[in-house]
Amino acid sequence: GDSVTQMEGPVTLSEEAFLTINCTYTATGYPSLFWYVQYPGEGLQLLLKATKADDKGSNKGFEATYRKETTSFHLEKGSVQVSDSAVYFCAPLIKAAGNKLTFGGGTRVLVKP
Amino acid sequence: NAGVTQTPKFRVLKTGQSMTLLCAQDMNHEYMYWYRQDPGMGLRLIHYSVGEGTTAKGEVPDGYNVSRLKKQNFLLGLESAAPSQTSVYFCASARYTGELFFGEGSRLTVL
Repeated sequence: GDSVTQMEGPVTLSEEAFLTINCTYTATGYPSLFWYVQYPGEGLQLLLKATKADDKGSNKGFEATYRKETTSFHLEKGSVQVSDSAVYFCAPLIKAAGNKLTFGGGTRVLVKP
Repeated sequence: NAGVTQTPKFRVLKTGQSMTLLCAQDMNHEYMYWYRQDPGMGLRLIHYSVGEGTTAKGEVPDGYNVSRLKKQNFLLGLESAAPSQTSVYFCASARYTGELFFGEGSRLTVL
C-alpha cells in the first residue's frame, strides 16, 4: 500500500556539520511532497515543499529535491546550527489516502555546540 | 496573528469522563484536521473537515467525534475517555491541501 519511510533518529550532530535525512515513499500516482519541522514544545510547521519531478524545495538553508525515479525526497542542510534541533517529518500528499498528508514517523535531530 | 488556537493546552481526565477540545482558526481556511501524536508513531489523522458543516473520518477515528458548525471552529470530543487516548492532540487548518498550519497542541492524560 501507499506509505512513507523516513530514517529513524535520533541524529546527533555537531554545529556546522552536514545533515541528511532520508525519505522514500510508495504511491500510485504523483504526489506532492512536503517536509515539516517541529521545534520543542510547538506544533508542526511547513519547512519546504515540491510538487513535481526535479523540483527543489528550499527554506532556511534546507533543501530537498523531488526524485521521481527513486521516489525519494531527502532533506539536506550544509551547515546546521543548534537552533535546527527539532523533529523533521516527511509527508507526501497521497491521493489514494484521500488526498491527505501521510506523515512519516519523524526524525529527531540534535545539534550540539 | 493568532493563526490556529487550541484550548485547553493541558487536561487530565479520569477514565470514562468526557471532554471537548476546541480549535479555532482566523485564516478563513476551508480545511481543518485533528491529529494525535504519540511517541514513535508520528502523527495520525483522527478526523478532518473540508468545509463548514462537513466532517470525515481519518486513520484513527474510534472513540472520537467532531463537529464543524462554524467555518473557523473544529471541535474534537471524547465521549468516554480511555487511557489509550492519552496523547498530544494537534489541530491544523489549510487553504490548500498539504500546506497545513498547526496549533501548539493539547496534552491530554487519561488516568
